[in-house]
Amino acid sequence: RKEVEQDPGPFNVPEGATVAFNCTYSNSASQSFFWYRQDCRKEPKLLMSVYSSGNEDGRFTAQLNRASQYISLLIRDSKLSDSATYLCVVSPSTGGFKTIFGAGTRLFVKA
Amino acid sequence: GAGVSQSPSNKVTEKGKDVELRCDPISGHTALYWYRQSLGQGLEFLIYFQGNSAPDKSGLPSDRFSAERTGGSVSTLTIQRTQQEDSAVYLCASSLVSGQETQYFGPGTRLLVL
Repeated sequence: RKEVEQDPGPFNVPEGATVAFNCTYSNSASQSFFWYRQDCRKEPKLLMSVYSSGNEDGRFTAQLNRASQYISLLIRDSKLSDSATYLCVVSPSTGGFKTIFGAGTRLFVKA
Repeated sequence: GAGVSQSPSNKVTEKGKDVELRCDPISGHTALYWYRQSLGQGLEFLIYFQGNSAPDKSGLPSDRFSAERTGGSVSTLTIQRTQQEDSAVYLCASSLVSGQETQYFGPGTRLLVL
């Protein structure tokens, strides 16, 4: 089993749609969680951190379920510019350094 | 302010040659990571530096790969006797502290081994 697993994608959605991505992680001692966005042939950039209480940033909502070791990202009112690969990222337990990136889920938003 | 920079941006080399990839992290960031991303794949962790501590080399795929970080700033990733399977984008990231902090990525070095 991979340490971080994501929906395989790609997701093809029309503008204005709501789309949800899921991610599961295997290390129950993991401490920090993030969603990164990577555009084609570009470097990853932080989209948002994921907190236990859930957090929202405009059209984006992230949720963490520690009991199920599950992270989600919800994008509302999709824009063409949301087309990218979304990477689920899990940082290690205290004292460890190895950050694990999921393989990513590709999103295509169509006009 | 200046972000993470990497050089060269592209590198084409012949199989068997050695290559050096450079990373300049954001000033003041104590943590530095190297990753590798093959075409259409996710990021593969290679090595991590934190301040003056011994690096975490657990992700290096073979002994042909090595990395240094001089003075707690600039880092160099060296690949000896390159193989075609080494072709990938090599990404460097830095963060203020380790692990739980946001990582800021450089634009990467695209390595092609012929």
